[in-house]
Amino acid sequence: AQRVTQPEKLLSVFKGAPVELKCNYSYSGSPELFWYVQYSRQRLQLLLRHISRESIKGFTADLNKGETSFHLKKPFAQEEDSAMYYCALSGTGANSKLTFGKGITLSVRP
Amino acid sequence: DGGITQSPKYLFRKEGQNVTLSCEQNLNHDAMYWYRQDPGQGLRLIYYSQIVNDFQKGDIAEGYSVSREKKESFPLTVTSAQKNPTAFYLCASSIFQGNYGYTFGSGTRLTVV
Repeated sequence: AQRVTQPEKLLSVFKGAPVELKCNYSYSGSPELFWYVQYSRQRLQLLLRHISRESIKGFTADLNKGETSFHLKKPFAQEEDSAMYYCALSGTGANSKLTFGKGITLSVRP
Repeated sequence: DGGITQSPKYLFRKEGQNVTLSCEQNLNHDAMYWYRQDPGQGLRLIYYSQIVNDFQKGDIAEGYSVSREKKESFPLTVTSAQKNPTAFYLCASSIFQGNYGYTFGSGTRLTVV
């Protein structure tokens, strides 16, 4: 079974502060990990994939297989980062459907 | 303009009625999915289809049904057997192979009155 855990429901920071959104997963094979973001009144959209090893809007996430984690980080938060963030896991082949965590609301205060 | 379209945006249902939510995509994606989004619950998979004329149950399929007669369309029927149907429903699509992530629709909010 595949499972994604986001231990916090809400993170509130001031503008310019560092951000770390935690994500832990459980999967017996080699997972694909994703972060999705939902801004107010917008569609859920892909933020980044671990396989791409890219930085999007200043966010990065590193897959740590030893700790089974995929935390999302940004060194300096901006007000426009305020949104709902979901971590998601996909297996391969027949298990390629996405399993989502419960999500975390990030609030960046001015 | 390629994308995935869900309709209607808002839907009201009387208890005991079946309702069907529409999901159409013109991205030529093989796979389509239905999720239910509830506050504090995240997204939970209802049904998914990786190929036309085939679909699989997700984690919370009870009280729902789907069909996949065309590649572009994956309608979801919420039946009267669904005990707590009031929720936000999201449809998504993806390329079957490659794990490039999903494209989501804008959602349908279903309310039982």
